Amino acid sequence: ETGVTQTPRHLVMGMTNKKSLKCEQHLGHNAMYWYKQSAKKPLELMFVYSLEERVENNSVPSRFSPECPNSSHLFLHLHTLQPEDSALYLCASSQARGAGGGEQYFGPGTRLTVT
Amino acid sequence: AQKVTQAQTEISVVEKEDVTLDCVYETRDTTYYLFWYKQPPSGELVFLIRRNSFDEQNEISGRYSWNFQKSTSSFNFTITASQVVDSAVYFCALRGYSSASKIIFGSGTRLSIRP
Repeated sequence: ETGVTQTPRHLVMGMTNKKSLKCEQHLGHNAMYWYKQSAKKPLELMFVYSLEERVENNSVPSRFSPECPNSSHLFLHLHTLQPEDSALYLCASSQARGAGGGEQYFGPGTRLTVT
Repeated sequence: AQKVTQAQTEISVVEKEDVTLDCVYETRDTTYYLFWYKQPPSGELVFLIRRNSFDEQNEISGRYSWNFQKSTSSFNFTITASQVVDSAVYFCALRGYSSASKIIFGSGTRLSIRP
């Protein structure tokens, strides 16, 4: 398998549930990202991991908890979400720290609905 | 501060027309990278092109062409002889050399090609 994969593609969860989103990249990159894309809103960068270290956390509520066990895998653990958290969650990867242009390659996203 | 502005929220043209998507950026970095991404209805952002700030040569790839003008801080994208499959949201993005891995995305332009 190539590129960036995300599972599940669709997720419906209640406000009291706990679930996890998974992202895997097969591009040999060393930086990974979580973005949130809500309807009619710009892309919001949530977390950045570079060389498996979290280098950015953009004031994301604690009900979102990222985990990066190695440079190929990234998780987003979800618990006690709110309906306004319903969105498309996109994972991306790139080469970090100025190596080349740093263009990011995206997965297909997980469409999350919180009921 | 870095910023990317895509003033055109939505554009609709008839198939086979040419269409230009505008992108204006702000950065204090002397070295930076510009990108265009396409997001079709399926949701995945597809990387189209990267341009380095020190290379002002315009680029053409099939029906796609990009016009980089450092003097006006613009990086416009033209689709020639548009097709229905070009319908998508297009994002312009910027990465400053000093910002390590972080890319700043514009708010996107929704392009609709009518048959």
